[in-house]
Amino acid sequence: DAGVIQSPRHEVTEMGQEVTLRCKPISGHNSLFWYRQTMMRGLELLIYFNNNVPIDDSGMPEDRFSAKMPNASFSTLKIQPSEPRDSAVYFCASIGAGGPYEQYFGPGTRLTVT
Amino acid sequence: GESVGLHLPTLSVQEGDNSIINCAYSNSASDYFIWYKQESGKGPQFIIDIRSNMDKRQGQRVTVLLNKTVKHLSLQIAATQPGDSAVYFCAENVWRDDKIIFGKGTRLHILP
Repeated sequence: DAGVIQSPRHEVTEMGQEVTLRCKPISGHNSLFWYRQTMMRGLELLIYFNNNVPIDDSGMPEDRFSAKMPNASFSTLKIQPSEPRDSAVYFCASIGAGGPYEQYFGPGTRLTVT
Repeated sequence: GESVGLHLPTLSVQEGDNSIINCAYSNSASDYFIWYKQESGKGPQFIIDIRSNMDKRQGQRVTVLLNKTVKHLSLQIAATQPGDSAVYFCAENVWRDDKIIFGKGTRLHILP
């Protein structure tokens, strides 16, 4: 398996633009997580899905952020409109049915909002 | 993906020496703990885990110690190698809940 796949790897955009980050979890994994990593806050959980259903979105910073998981093999994290303070590395991770043992992370998307 | 130049506590260790990275966790209800390693340009990677019914678990060159009384976790790396240079995160979880809460991380720097 190729592991968790994220795209794009780098995104540079101007303030006010819409940004969409994409994630493909490991095949067969039924839980998917979106994290944000910043200098100030470290690694924060934004939202996670179980069997494509959002379970906990309490980490989503505000209404500008939204996430979807239309099927078991694809998820998006959207920021609209983007702001400079959204600049961070965004990670997607997935877990199989066995539980949090060995949560697999993708390589991340580095987002820069100017 | 990178660790975005986090201003983290740094532990500098001579190559070949043992490293000990410490972590304090916050939730008394947490009963499952994981150590992750994050190398530059990559996402965090699982190293070792421990359940709360244990106080020690050993892997290959790594040992995790858990002290529930003071809510403290440590990761010991034996015979530290250059490839061990990374940021190390402890994480806590309530078993059967998929949500994992990460600590702030410690940067391990290997001296030649």
